[in-house]
Amino acid sequence: KNQVEQSPQSLIILEGKNCTLQCNYTVSPFSNLRWYKQDTGRGPVSLTIMTFSENTKSNGRYTATLDADTKQSSLHITASQLSDSASYICVVSRSNDYKLSFGAGTTVTVRA
Amino acid sequence: DADVTQTPRNRITKTGKRIMLECSQTKGHDRMYWYRQDPGLGLQLIYYSFDVKDINKGEISDGYSVSRQAQAKFSLSLESAIPNQTALYFCATSDPAPHDTGELFFGEGSRLTVL
Repeated sequence: KNQVEQSPQSLIILEGKNCTLQCNYTVSPFSNLRWYKQDTGRGPVSLTIMTFSENTKSNGRYTATLDADTKQSSLHITASQLSDSASYICVVSRSNDYKLSFGAGTTVTVRA
Repeated sequence: DADVTQTPRNRITKTGKRIMLECSQTKGHDRMYWYRQDPGLGLQLIYYSFDVKDINKGEISDGYSVSRQAQAKFSLSLESAIPNQTALYFCATSDPAPHDTGELFFGEGSRLTVL
């Protein structure tokens, strides 16, 4: 069973609207959690990183939250733009371990 | 120019053929990785290297081999390709290590189709 589960698998939103993506993980001991954006035909690019003590972090219109107690994270996209159409991948790192756990991603489609 | 460059970007081959995917980086990172991406699945680690003389198996190394020719170059080989190795392959670098908040920097990907 994957240690990182993302929901929804995909979603479609209208330009200008907001949306929230979810990431639940069971990875332990926890080190950090990153959200990556992957445009079609490109490699993933990091959006944010959350460590254990951080609850919220923003990168422009992207805001990530972390609840380390419930092992949940969310990525909120505000005022979506067509360029936000991409797959968003949640990646959790374990302390003192090379291994990363990747979610399967949420595909976001923004329509005009 | 991209910091992490993969060649070829697309390759179609036949079952049983030997295939090499190449990766070069200009970021100066010691740590390099090869990942495989399949639809509906998370990225899976094939091999990783923390230094020129360091090679380590990942989660799905069977059927693959790698070579770290220099700090900047990390190649992935499929000795005898089979159809279920059809996938999108990514090379990545990091410094420091991901569990030390190191970010992964990915190449553009190499799409391999095995007929």
